[in-house]
Amino acid sequence: GAGVSQTPSNKVTEKGKYVELRCDPISGHTALYWYRQSLGQGPEFLIYFQGTGAADDSGLPNDRFFAVRPEGSVSTLKIQRTERGDSAMYLCASSLWGRNSPLHFGNGTRLTVT
Amino acid sequence: SQQGEEDPQALSIQEGENATMNCSYKTSINNLQWYRQNSGRGLVHLILIRSNEREKHSGRLRVTLDTSKKSSSLLITASRAADTASYFCATDKEYGNKLVFGAGTILRVKS
Repeated sequence: GAGVSQTPSNKVTEKGKYVELRCDPISGHTALYWYRQSLGQGPEFLIYFQGTGAADDSGLPNDRFFAVRPEGSVSTLKIQRTERGDSAMYLCASSLWGRNSPLHFGNGTRLTVT
Repeated sequence: SQQGEEDPQALSIQEGENATMNCSYKTSINNLQWYRQNSGRGLVHLILIRSNEREKHSGRLRVTLDTSKKSSSLLITASRAADTASYFCATDKEYGNKLVFGAGTILRVKS
């Protein structure tokens, strides 16, 4: 079956612009996670959804970052007024039920803010 | 903040040798997981070990967990060039919803 799909795979934007990153999880997976990874670092937690609701958004760095999952499947990570420091690989993962189930990652969206 | 810390940061071995990576963490956990990441790709789940387990095997992989020392190790036996990747431990805290990753160990297996 299909794995986790993230689009676009690469996104280049200018400082100050708005971007949306999309994640299509594995069908039937109730939990969805967003992580951010800088070069040479481990993934940094951003937000976790259980169904449609954000169960934990403690990793979002500031109010320029927002994520939604309106129907409990596809999720969109939205970044307003992008800054050069937002440049990173944004990874999405889904799991069957959250705790004690492994995460299945997409290949990520490489965001570059110029 | 990152909960787990892997050691060593980088490891270079010959094909056929064993590779051991260690992970230390700070707070009580529900489970600990190991993931592999090839350059420019997403992470791939390897093993999940629960806090009440001490050892787990999967093929050439062996994971141990010592909750009294708050540490885990990942052993890859008879390594292959294809094992070259970054390896991350991740902890699912006893209270909370998020999986927190360490900075990873870069493994290079030379053929």
